[in-house]
Amino acid sequence: QKEVEQNSGPLSVPEGAIASLNCTYSDRGSQSFFWYRQYSGKSPELIMFIYSNGDKEDGRFTAQLNKASQYVSLLIRDSQPSDSATYLCAVNPDGNKLVFGAGTILRVKS
Amino acid sequence: DAGITQSPRYKITETGRQVTLMCHQTWSHSYMFWYRQDLGHGLRLIYYSAAADITDKGEVPDGYVVSRSKTENFPLTLESATRSQTSVYFCASSPGQGLPGELFFGEGSRLTVL
Repeated sequence: QKEVEQNSGPLSVPEGAIASLNCTYSDRGSQSFFWYRQYSGKSPELIMFIYSNGDKEDGRFTAQLNKASQYVSLLIRDSQPSDSATYLCAVNPDGNKLVFGAGTILRVKS
Repeated sequence: DAGITQSPRYKITETGRQVTLMCHQTWSHSYMFWYRQDLGHGLRLIYYSAAADITDKGEVPDGYVVSRSKTENFPLTLESATRSQTSVYFCASSPGQGLPGELFFGEGSRLTVL
């Protein structure tokens, strides 16, 4: 069974702080990793992807990957109330299929 | 409007009834997917399709049937609905080229089985 694990939260951070979201996966053969954001009652949307070990930055978002530890994280700097959502970690074990974690609820308090 | 649309958005049915959820995309994406989303389980793949007339099972296919006679349509049928199939169903598509794993989701269909 290919699994992706996330802490369900909620993770509460004050406005302007750094939010750190974590994810572990079980399939060592996985090659690509994704973070989707889902607002309440809406559909998921892709916000970050990463293939290589290390960090990848896009605006206020940084994705971090450590394949040896089978660990993916998402950092959100200068968190805003509009960042409040569920963040889904997803792993691409093969082809175009994705395996999703259950998601972490993030709440940014103003 | 271009994009991926699902219908119906909300459906209430009874145990044992057949239900079909429709999914239509206008991008000519090769891949289409059906996921269900339940509290505590996240998104779980039911079925997917790499092209017209090609479908394959995902993680939780039991009780569901799909077909894909045209690239743009990917209906999901519950042949005899059960209460455990109460869920939010998301259809998604992917170009199949470029970034594998970049999925574009429909707005979801909330199904309640009484």
